[in-house]
Amino acid sequence: GAGVSQSPSNKVTEKGKDVELRCDPISGHTALYWYRQSLGQGLEFLIYFQGNSAPDKSGLPSDRFSAERTGGSVSTLTIQRTQQEDSAVYLCASSSMGLASETQYFGPGTRLLVL
Amino acid sequence: DQQVKQNSPSLSVQEGRISILNCDYTNSMFDYFLWYKKYPAEGPTFLISISSIKDKNEDGRFTVFLNKSAKHLSLHIVPSQPGDSAVYFCAALTQGGSEKLVFGKGTKLTVNP
Repeated sequence: GAGVSQSPSNKVTEKGKDVELRCDPISGHTALYWYRQSLGQGLEFLIYFQGNSAPDKSGLPSDRFSAERTGGSVSTLTIQRTQQEDSAVYLCASSSMGLASETQYFGPGTRLLVL
Repeated sequence: DQQVKQNSPSLSVQEGRISILNCDYTNSMFDYFLWYKKYPAEGPTFLISISSIKDKNEDGRFTVFLNKSAKHLSLHIVPSQPGDSAVYFCAALTQGGSEKLVFGKGTKLTVNP
């Protein structure tokens, strides 16, 4: 069975441009998480979707960041007017029921470099 | 303010010996702890977890120990194998609270043949 997939795997953009990162979770998983790993840092929670509930956006670092999850499946993380400090690996994870104690299955990440 | 701390950014051990990875936390409300392993260019994968009602959980070569009074947990790998070389992340959460894991910065383990 397919795991979590993310695209693109790498993205280089210029400061000020917008970028969209895509995540395809494991089929049937109701919970989807976005994390960011900056150089030398741990995984930083960004946003959490669970079923049809309103997403938990408490980890988004600024209003330039937004995410949506269409049809309870695919998710897109959008970063507007990118800054150099946005350079990081963006990881998506999904789990079956959305309990944080469940195993989260991670995708390979999107490596974003803002020049 | 880091709630989960992995103070050793790296650890190097010899194949066959024990690897001990440490993790400290500050939030006394955390009651469930997990370890994830991450290879380069891959996403993290779940390794082992422990609930605060236990002080030890074992799975094959991997054992996690929890010392609640010290707010400290450790992951023991014995015997260590070269394929264990990866970055290990400690994570914590409060069950029934926000469904968010709080991760440490990770420890890069290198197991030398």
